[in-house]
Amino acid sequence: DAGVIQSPRHEVTEMGQEVTLRCKPISGHDYLFWYRQTMMRGLELLIYFNNNVPIDDSGMPEDRFSAKMPNASFSTLKIQPSEPRDSAVYFCASTSWDRGYEQFFGPGTRLTVL
Amino acid sequence: AQTVTQSQPEMSVQEAETVTLSCTYDTSESDYYLFWYKQPPSRQMILVIRQEAYKQQNATENRFSVNFQKAAKSFSLKISDSQLGDAAMYFCASYYGGATNKLIFGTGTLLAVQP
Repeated sequence: DAGVIQSPRHEVTEMGQEVTLRCKPISGHDYLFWYRQTMMRGLELLIYFNNNVPIDDSGMPEDRFSAKMPNASFSTLKIQPSEPRDSAVYFCASTSWDRGYEQFFGPGTRLTVL
Repeated sequence: AQTVTQSQPEMSVQEAETVTLSCTYDTSESDYYLFWYKQPPSRQMILVIRQEAYKQQNATENRFSVNFQKAAKSFSLKISDSQLGDAAMYFCASYYGGATNKLIFGTGTLLAVQP
């Protein structure tokens, strides 16, 4: 299996622009998680899906952030409009109940908002 | 609230020596899992070892082993015969299923391996 795939790996944008991060989970996994990693706040869970349905989005910082999972093999995290404080590494992870909840992480997307 | 605490922001070890990274957690849950993840400079989060709370036996994966003290809510990672490739940030994490269904991470310990 190719593992969790994220794109782009790096994104540099200007404040106010829309940013879309993409994730392809491991085939057969029914849970998908979006995390944000910063020096100040460490690793934070933003939202997670189960069977394509958003279950807990309490970690989404504000209305500028939205996430979708239109099917079992694709998810997006969108920031609109982006701000410099959104600069971070964003990880996607997936798992399934029969994996004992071991989460498999993608390589991350490093987002820089100027 | 569930918390995970790593009290050592940085550690250093000589190549071939043994080092122990500390982790404590706090929960009222009875069923949970504990993990150690490694994050090298590439940023990739790599699972090092996992422990089910209901298992008394400490988990071992080659040079990596844990000391799981359930009553003390302690979960330390021991790295034996340290190698240069072990240099990374190490995160302790706890997972709680059911309604919580979250992986809670500690703040990490940066491990340096000296040749």
